[in-house]
Amino acid sequence: DIQMTQSPSSLSASVGDRVTITCRASQSITSYLNWYQQKPGKAPKLLIYAASSLQSGVPSRFSGSGFGTDFTLTISSLQPEDFATYYCQQSYSGVTFGQGTRLEIK
Amino acid sequence: QVQLQESGPGLVKPSQTLSLTCTVSGGSISSGGYYWSWIRQQPGKGLEWIGYMYFSGNTFYNPSLKSRVTISIDTSKTQFSLKVSSVTAADTAIYYCARFGSGRYWFDPWGQGTLVTVSS
Repeated sequence: DIQMTQSPSSLSASVGDRVTITCRASQSITSYLNWYQQKPGKAPKLLIYAASSLQSGVPSRFSGSGFGTDFTLTISSLQPEDFATYYCQQSYSGVTFGQGTRLEIK
Repeated sequence: QVQLQESGPGLVKPSQTLSLTCTVSGGSISSGGYYWSWIRQQPGKGLEWIGYMYFSGNTFYNPSLKSRVTISIDTSKTQFSLKVSSVTAADTAIYYCARFGSGRYWFDPWGQGTLVTVSS
């Protein structure tokens, strides 16, 4: 099984900050990596697919990069509505999610 | 646009079978191009993929749940279903249905989720 490890597990930041979340796969997954945002009481929402493609309707302050085993999700300038939990997910072999990164207001 | 909605009992007794249905609107399950999926989230925890099924019958399950899980599709009703047998308290979770692209490899859209509690 492919394991996905996100870091950090939680993060405190302020509105306007630039934030980076990392996701590491236990083996190469090429670019089969997606990012989701989940707010309390809501279903996850797709943000980034195929490592770096922005889902339609998602603000351009969100971006993704990486290939192989190391990936990042970057929010260029945090907005109040961005405080949520973020998950990475691989689909190279089966499906596995990272454990999540909780982004909190500082 | 495609929308998904889960339904089913919110309370299941230990050792019984959990059964949920996902109704798809705005699109056809049998048009191809997608796997119809179940994902769950235990309270306060992360996301766990349960499995998915193509309309033709190809099914893939999470190895950790495979022995207890069955996913089926009713194309005439534009619904797909999940059954989890021999449930325990560890199966208490929010259960989401979602569409997974064949060749697209991501989950979108998702249903709103339904909480299932396993308790006597």
